[in-house]
Amino acid sequence: GAVVSQHPSWVICKSGTSVKIECRSLDFQATTMFWYRQFPKQSLMLMATSNEGSKATYEQGVEKDKFLINHASLTLSTLTVTSAHPEDSSFYICSAEGTGSRSTPSYGYTFGSGTRLTVV
Amino acid sequence: LAKTTQPISMDSYEGQEVNITCSHNNIATNDYITWYQQFPSQGPRFIIQGYKTKVTNEVASLFIPADRKSSTLSLPRVSLSDTAVYYCLDSGGYQKVTFGTGTKLQVIP
Repeated sequence: GAVVSQHPSWVICKSGTSVKIECRSLDFQATTMFWYRQFPKQSLMLMATSNEGSKATYEQGVEKDKFLINHASLTLSTLTVTSAHPEDSSFYICSAEGTGSRSTPSYGYTFGSGTRLTVV
Repeated sequence: LAKTTQPISMDSYEGQEVNITCSHNNIATNDYITWYQQFPSQGPRFIIQGYKTKVTNEVASLFIPADRKSSTLSLPRVSLSDTAVYYCLDSGGYQKVTFGTGTKLQVIP
């Protein structure tokens, strides 16, 4: 239990186009999900908190109009990178709080497998 | 700012026990200490979690002193496949989590 599925695992897009990344909680409900980005050889940087049924909360310095987050159901949050540019190329990771198996913490977060975005 | 501090990198030979220590100087009463492992181009994977004293599972042990200001992840007899970045976090759940630098463990043959 408590698996977070992220799709796609990698995507290449042209500069100026938009890309949507999906994060699904399998077999559990997640009222809160988190989106991170990670540059090569760096740590994960929190971008925003996605709240089911309400607006996302963005971290300082993250453009909310560029990184659109939608959390329309208890099992799905999406991150859309709008008008992507090469500097948006990064590894995007979502997480959700889910429990119920030996592979998940009792208090804490399960992470998706990540999405490698390359903007050309 | 990250809530935790840990060494940036460590090297170990195969078969040795590896201990990675983390400082939790701002840990709150209801926070749990959690360790994750991350391989390149993958999301972090849960390893172990504890609140105090010692916790052991099939892959690692976690030591937490009484003051909970630090924690030590112990990996017994590491292999090359344990080469990864290890992150320590403290969080009470339903809170946003800020990652620190992580510790890059390099296992040497």
